[in-house]
Amino acid sequence: AQTVTQSQPEMSVQEAETVTLSCTYDTSESDYYLFWYKQPPSRQMILVIRQEAYKQQNATENRFSVNFQKAAKSFSLKISDSQLGDAAMYFCAYRRGETSGSRLTFGEGTQLTVNP
Amino acid sequence: EPEVTQTPSHQVTQMGQEVILRCVPISNHLYFYWYRQILGQKVEFLVSFYNNEISEKSEIFDDQFSVERPDGSNFTLKIRSTKLEDSAMYFCASRAGLEGNEKLFFGSGTQLSVL
Repeated sequence: AQTVTQSQPEMSVQEAETVTLSCTYDTSESDYYLFWYKQPPSRQMILVIRQEAYKQQNATENRFSVNFQKAAKSFSLKISDSQLGDAAMYFCAYRRGETSGSRLTFGEGTQLTVNP
Repeated sequence: EPEVTQTPSHQVTQMGQEVILRCVPISNHLYFYWYRQILGQKVEFLVSFYNNEISEKSEIFDDQFSVERPDGSNFTLKIRSTKLEDSAMYFCASRAGLEGNEKLFFGSGTQLSVL
């Protein structure tokens, strides 16, 4: 079974600074997808960024980028120029690549605090 | 951007009662999901639904749970006899197709409290 591990229950960053959230996963599959979701206090799940395992290039979405290390099964999220609105719980998630609608497996989450 | 709609936003029920959580997925989507999140814990998969049948379910999704798409627009989760440990936020989600990186749209959740 696939597992996703986030070893940082809490992180904090100063506004305008950069922070990196860690995620590791375990799978025997070669075709899969990785995601970072943001969950603000409203508890809405918001997709931040996604990465296809077959792509070597790291995904980037504005201030958000990932460091995808396939051999190490590591998928970290870097937030640059942190803003107060970035404060939220961040979940790393894995989905097997296949022809049917497979489940997302989530990590335990990292609570990010942004200090003014 | 299109939205997945969930009702009600909060549901309070007595232990042993039946509850139905309702979701309206995005209209052209084909894959539907229920996830739950116990307060302070990770989001957990419950069930996926495609072509009017369950395609995958987790060990959490036991005989007390059922899903239905009764009218082609709504997608419901029924808990037959609620337990205290069913208290959680329940998220409905939908996807358009089969592409692995296809975006999964989540609803805003229903907070279920079992007393």
